[in-house]
Amino acid sequence: QSVLTQPPSVSGAPGQRVTISCTGSGSSIGSGFDVHWYQQVPGTAPILLIFGDNIRPSGVPDRFSASKSGTSASLAITGLQAEDEADYFCQTYDTSLSGWVFGGGTKLTVL
Amino acid sequence: QVQLQESGPELLKSSETLSLICTVSGYSISRDHYWGWIRLPPGKGMEWIGSIYHSGSTYYNPSLKSRVTMSVDTSSNHFSLKLNSVTAAETAMYYCARMGGDYGASSWYFDLWGRGTLVTVSS
Repeated sequence: QSVLTQPPSVSGAPGQRVTISCTGSGSSIGSGFDVHWYQQVPGTAPILLIFGDNIRPSGVPDRFSASKSGTSASLAITGLQAEDEADYFCQTYDTSLSGWVFGGGTKLTVL
Repeated sequence: QVQLQESGPELLKSSETLSLICTVSGYSISRDHYWGWIRLPPGKGMEWIGSIYHSGSTYYNPSLKSRVTMSVDTSSNHFSLKLNSVTAAETAMYYCARMGGDYGASSWYFDLWGRGTLVTVSS
């Protein structure tokens, strides 16, 4: 059971928009800690997709965006492409656990 | 190009000590970053294990703290993880990563990752 809750899977057709939620608690996202997002194609190293709630590292397309409200955060991907098929997971800090915590991951399927 | 590469035994028996090394190339681990270990058990989410600075300063996951030791070797540009008394439930992909963030540890993230190494613990 991960500290941050994500849907196990989402799917969308090419060109569509999908969102992935990440739900925490008052001691994590609800405390205002930054939320970060990663993309991982199976068998490869995870890639930092979004940091600081909504900042894209250099090289990440602007099709990827994120937001945060209350105890939840979400990642949005617009103009879905086949290459976006991957696992996505969120990460933040939890003060009650005194450490960095992750979501369970969401598998995105591009139909 | 900065690269991280995990290495170490891939098969252990229950109660043994897991020992992994993360070799960093293209970047000095003596620069201003913490370096961390994260694991991904099959069918579960990522779990942060611990992080270390080149000075030896560490943060450990409280749930693992009694069994974890991390160290850094700046001359070889690598850092290490030891986790003792492992169980079959700790079979996982183990990743090393560089931590980034401009302010306060609570804002940090993992900006560069290795490809991971699968460690299997047999009972």
